[in-house]
Amino acid sequence: GAVVSQHPSWVICKSGTSVKIECRSLDFQATTMFWYRQFPKQSLMLMATSNEGSKATYEQGVEKDKFLINHASLTLSTLTVTSAHPEDSSFYICSARHPGGGRDIQYFGAGTRLSVL
Amino acid sequence: SQQGEEDPQALSIQEGENATMNCSYKTSINNLQWYRQNSGRGLVHLILIRSNEREKHSGRLRVTLDTSKKSSSLLITASRAADTASYFCATEANQAGTALIFGKGTTLSVSS
Repeated sequence: GAVVSQHPSWVICKSGTSVKIECRSLDFQATTMFWYRQFPKQSLMLMATSNEGSKATYEQGVEKDKFLINHASLTLSTLTVTSAHPEDSSFYICSARHPGGGRDIQYFGAGTRLSVL
Repeated sequence: SQQGEEDPQALSIQEGENATMNCSYKTSINNLQWYRQNSGRGLVHLILIRSNEREKHSGRLRVTLDTSKKSSSLLITASRAADTASYFCATEANQAGTALIFGKGTTLSVSS
Protein backbone atom coordinates (compact mmCIF):
# COMPACT_ATOMS: atom_id res chain seq x y z
CA GLY A 1 0.00 0.00 0.00
CA ALA A 2 0.91 3.64 -0.26
CA VAL A 3 3.45 4.82 2.25
CA VAL A 4 4.12 8.21 3.75
CA SER A 5 7.42 8.65 5.50
CA GLN A 6 7.93 11.31 8.14
CA HIS A 7 11.31 12.32 9.50
CA PRO A 8 12.53 12.70 12.16
CA SER A 9 10.34 10.61 14.41
CA TRP A 10 11.56 12.41 17.50
CA VAL A 11 13.45 15.64 18.03
CA ILE A 12 14.54 17.63 21.04
CA CYS A 13 15.63 21.20 20.56
CA LYS A 14 16.44 24.27 22.58
CA SER A 15 14.07 27.19 22.86
CA GLY A 16 14.59 29.68 20.06
CA THR A 17 15.91 27.23 17.51
CA SER A 18 14.15 26.05 14.35
CA VAL A 19 13.20 22.49 13.53
CA LYS A 20 12.37 21.06 10.13
CA ILE A 21 10.10 18.05 9.71
CA GLU A 22 9.90 16.22 6.41
CA CYS A 23 6.96 14.36 4.95
CA ARG A 24 7.53 12.21 1.89
CA SER A 25 5.16 10.14 -0.19
CA LEU A 26 7.27 7.14 -1.12
CA ASP A 27 5.37 5.47 -3.92
CA PHE A 28 2.96 8.06 -5.21
CA GLN A 29 2.87 11.71 -6.11
CA ALA A 30 0.89 13.91 -3.77
CA THR A 31 -0.20 17.32 -4.94
CA THR A 32 -1.78 17.93 -1.57
CA MET A 33 -0.43 17.11 1.87
CA PHE A 34 -1.82 18.03 5.25
CA TRP A 35 -0.17 18.87 8.55
CA TYR A 36 -1.76 18.13 11.90
CA ARG A 37 -0.75 18.75 15.49
CA GLN A 38 -1.72 16.59 18.42
CA PHE A 39 -1.27 17.54 22.06
CA PRO A 40 -1.13 14.78 24.69
CA LYS A 41 -4.42 12.96 25.16
CA GLN A 42 -6.10 15.15 22.56
CA SER A 43 -7.20 14.72 19.00
CA LEU A 44 -5.51 15.78 15.80
CA MET A 45 -5.96 19.40 14.87
CA LEU A 46 -5.49 20.42 11.26
CA MET A 47 -2.79 23.08 10.96
CA ALA A 48 -2.49 23.62 7.25
CA THR A 49 -2.96 22.26 3.77
CA SER A 50 0.21 22.07 1.72
CA ASN A 51 -0.17 22.42 -2.04
CA GLU A 52 2.66 21.58 -4.41
CA GLY A 53 4.00 24.66 -6.10
CA SER A 54 1.87 27.15 -4.21
CA LYS A 55 1.45 28.67 -0.79
CA ALA A 56 0.04 26.61 2.02
CA THR A 57 -3.41 27.29 3.38
CA TYR A 58 -3.38 27.72 7.13
CA GLU A 59 -6.21 27.06 9.55
CA GLN A 60 -7.47 29.86 11.70
CA GLY A 61 -5.21 30.51 14.65
CA VAL A 62 -2.12 28.89 13.13
CA GLU A 63 0.72 31.36 12.62
CA LYS A 64 2.06 31.01 9.10
CA ASP A 65 5.31 32.80 9.97
CA LYS A 66 5.96 30.40 12.79
CA PHE A 67 5.03 27.21 11.00
CA LEU A 68 6.63 27.46 7.58
CA ILE A 69 5.41 24.95 5.05
CA ASN A 70 7.15 24.22 1.78
CA HIS A 71 5.84 21.75 -0.79
CA ALA A 72 8.57 21.97 -3.38
CA SER A 73 7.97 18.67 -5.12
CA LEU A 74 5.20 16.16 -5.63
CA THR A 75 6.69 13.85 -3.04
CA LEU A 76 7.96 16.17 -0.32
CA SER A 77 6.43 18.68 2.04
CA THR A 78 8.33 20.22 4.93
CA LEU A 79 7.14 21.90 8.09
CA THR A 80 9.60 24.19 9.84
CA VAL A 81 8.82 25.28 13.37
CA THR A 82 10.68 28.57 13.71
CA SER A 83 11.92 30.02 16.98
CA ALA A 84 10.48 27.08 18.85
CA HIS A 85 9.09 27.54 22.36
CA PRO A 86 8.17 24.92 24.95
CA GLU A 87 4.48 25.38 24.10
CA ASP A 88 5.26 24.15 20.58
CA SER A 89 6.11 20.76 22.04
CA SER A 90 3.65 18.40 20.44
CA PHE A 91 3.17 15.46 18.10
CA TYR A 92 3.14 16.60 14.46
CA ILE A 93 1.62 14.32 11.83
CA CYS A 94 1.46 14.73 8.09
CA SER A 95 -0.80 13.03 5.61
CA ALA A 96 -0.95 12.77 1.85
CA ARG A 97 -3.90 12.19 -0.35
CA HIS A 98 -3.46 9.45 -2.91
CA PRO A 99 -4.42 10.87 -6.29
CA GLY A 100 -5.66 7.57 -7.70
CA GLY A 101 -9.11 7.71 -9.21
CA GLY A 102 -11.85 6.92 -6.73
CA ARG A 103 -9.51 6.54 -3.82
CA ASP A 104 -10.49 8.51 -0.79
CA ILE A 105 -7.97 7.33 1.76
CA GLN A 106 -5.34 9.65 3.06
CA TYR A 107 -2.10 8.09 4.17
CA PHE A 108 -0.51 9.28 7.37
CA GLY A 109 3.09 9.52 8.41
CA ALA A 110 4.16 7.98 11.70
CA GLY A 111 4.43 11.40 13.30
CA THR A 112 7.20 13.52 14.79
CA ARG A 113 7.39 14.14 18.49
CA LEU A 114 8.88 17.57 19.15
CA SER A 115 10.15 18.47 22.59
CA VAL A 116 11.32 22.04 23.08
CA LEU A 117 13.45 22.63 26.18
CA SER B 1 -11.11 22.86 13.71
CA GLN B 2 -12.77 19.71 14.95
CA GLN B 3 -15.80 18.23 13.32
CA GLY B 4 -17.56 16.59 16.15
CA GLU B 5 -17.76 14.61 19.27
CA GLU B 6 -17.10 11.03 20.11
CA ASP B 7 -18.64 9.27 23.00
CA PRO B 8 -17.79 7.85 25.29
CA GLN B 9 -14.50 9.65 25.86
CA ALA B 10 -13.22 6.57 27.64
CA LEU B 11 -14.38 2.96 27.67
CA SER B 12 -13.12 0.07 29.79
CA ILE B 13 -14.21 -3.47 29.04
CA GLN B 14 -13.15 -7.07 29.53
CA GLU B 15 -11.70 -9.23 26.79
CA GLY B 16 -14.40 -10.88 24.76
CA GLU B 17 -16.90 -8.10 25.25
CA ASN B 18 -18.04 -5.82 22.48
CA ALA B 19 -17.06 -2.15 22.36
CA THR B 20 -19.23 0.50 20.78
CA MET B 21 -18.05 4.01 20.06
CA ASN B 22 -20.14 6.80 18.62
CA CYS B 23 -19.22 9.82 16.57
CA SER B 24 -21.25 12.85 15.63
CA TYR B 25 -20.37 15.48 13.06
CA LYS B 26 -21.71 18.80 11.95
CA THR B 27 -21.40 19.32 8.21
CA SER B 28 -22.22 17.41 5.04
CA ILE B 29 -19.63 14.78 4.27
CA ASN B 30 -18.25 12.74 1.41
CA ASN B 31 -17.12 9.95 3.69
CA LEU B 32 -16.36 9.11 7.30
CA GLN B 33 -13.34 7.14 8.39
CA TRP B 34 -12.26 5.49 11.60
CA TYR B 35 -8.66 5.40 12.76
CA ARG B 36 -6.86 3.78 15.61
CA GLN B 37 -3.88 5.19 17.46
CA ASN B 38 -1.77 3.38 20.01
CA SER B 39 -0.30 5.59 22.69
CA GLY B 40 2.32 7.92 21.25
CA ARG B 41 2.20 6.30 17.84
CA GLY B 42 0.89 7.08 14.37
CA LEU B 43 -2.56 6.48 12.97
CA VAL B 44 -3.82 3.23 11.54
CA HIS B 45 -6.70 3.42 9.08
CA LEU B 46 -9.47 1.00 10.03
CA ILE B 47 -12.42 1.52 7.77
CA LEU B 48 -14.07 4.04 5.45
CA ILE B 49 -17.77 4.44 4.88
CA ARG B 50 -19.15 6.66 2.15
CA SER B 51 -22.07 8.99 2.57
CA ASN B 52 -24.33 6.76 0.48
CA GLU B 53 -23.55 3.69 2.59
CA ARG B 54 -25.29 2.78 5.81
CA GLU B 55 -23.23 -0.09 7.16
CA LYS B 56 -19.87 -1.65 6.52
CA HIS B 57 -17.99 -4.61 7.97
CA SER B 58 -14.32 -5.45 8.16
CA GLY B 59 -13.32 -8.44 10.25
CA ARG B 60 -14.41 -7.72 13.83
CA LEU B 61 -15.33 -4.15 12.96
CA ARG B 62 -18.78 -2.91 12.07
CA VAL B 63 -19.42 0.70 11.16
CA THR B 64 -22.76 2.37 10.67
CA LEU B 65 -23.52 5.77 9.25
CA ASP B 66 -26.70 7.79 9.68
CA THR B 67 -26.41 10.92 7.59
CA SER B 68 -29.81 12.21 8.73
CA LYS B 69 -28.53 12.27 12.30
CA LYS B 70 -24.97 13.09 11.27
CA SER B 71 -23.65 10.23 13.34
CA SER B 72 -21.64 7.06 13.04
CA SER B 73 -20.82 4.15 15.29
CA LEU B 74 -17.91 1.75 15.43
CA LEU B 75 -18.48 -1.67 16.94
CA ILE B 76 -15.58 -3.92 17.81
CA THR B 77 -16.75 -7.43 18.54
CA ALA B 78 -15.02 -9.96 20.76
CA SER B 79 -12.47 -7.42 21.91
CA ARG B 80 -8.89 -8.33 22.74
CA ALA B 81 -6.31 -6.71 24.97
CA ALA B 82 -4.49 -5.70 21.78
CA ASP B 83 -7.47 -3.52 20.84
CA THR B 84 -6.50 -1.13 23.63
CA ALA B 85 -5.93 2.20 21.88
CA SER B 86 -7.55 5.51 21.04
CA TYR B 87 -10.10 5.50 18.26
CA PHE B 88 -10.92 8.55 16.17
CA CYS B 89 -13.52 9.23 13.58
CA ALA B 90 -12.60 11.60 10.79
CA THR B 91 -14.79 13.17 8.18
CA GLU B 92 -14.04 14.34 4.69
CA ALA B 93 -16.22 17.15 3.43
CA ASN B 94 -17.97 17.10 0.08
CA GLN B 95 -15.43 19.41 -1.48
CA ALA B 96 -12.76 17.42 -3.27
CA GLY B 97 -9.27 17.42 -1.84
CA THR B 98 -10.16 18.63 1.61
CA ALA B 99 -8.44 17.52 4.77
CA LEU B 100 -9.84 15.02 7.20
CA ILE B 101 -11.31 16.59 10.29
CA PHE B 102 -11.00 14.48 13.40
CA GLY B 103 -13.32 13.96 16.32
CA LYS B 104 -12.06 14.05 19.88
CA GLY B 105 -11.61 10.32 20.13
CA THR B 106 -12.49 7.47 22.44
CA THR B 107 -9.87 5.79 24.59
CA LEU B 108 -10.57 2.07 24.80
CA SER B 109 -9.03 -0.13 27.47
CA VAL B 110 -9.51 -3.87 27.18
CA SER B 111 -8.38 -5.88 30.16
CA SER B 112 -7.61 -9.56 30.09
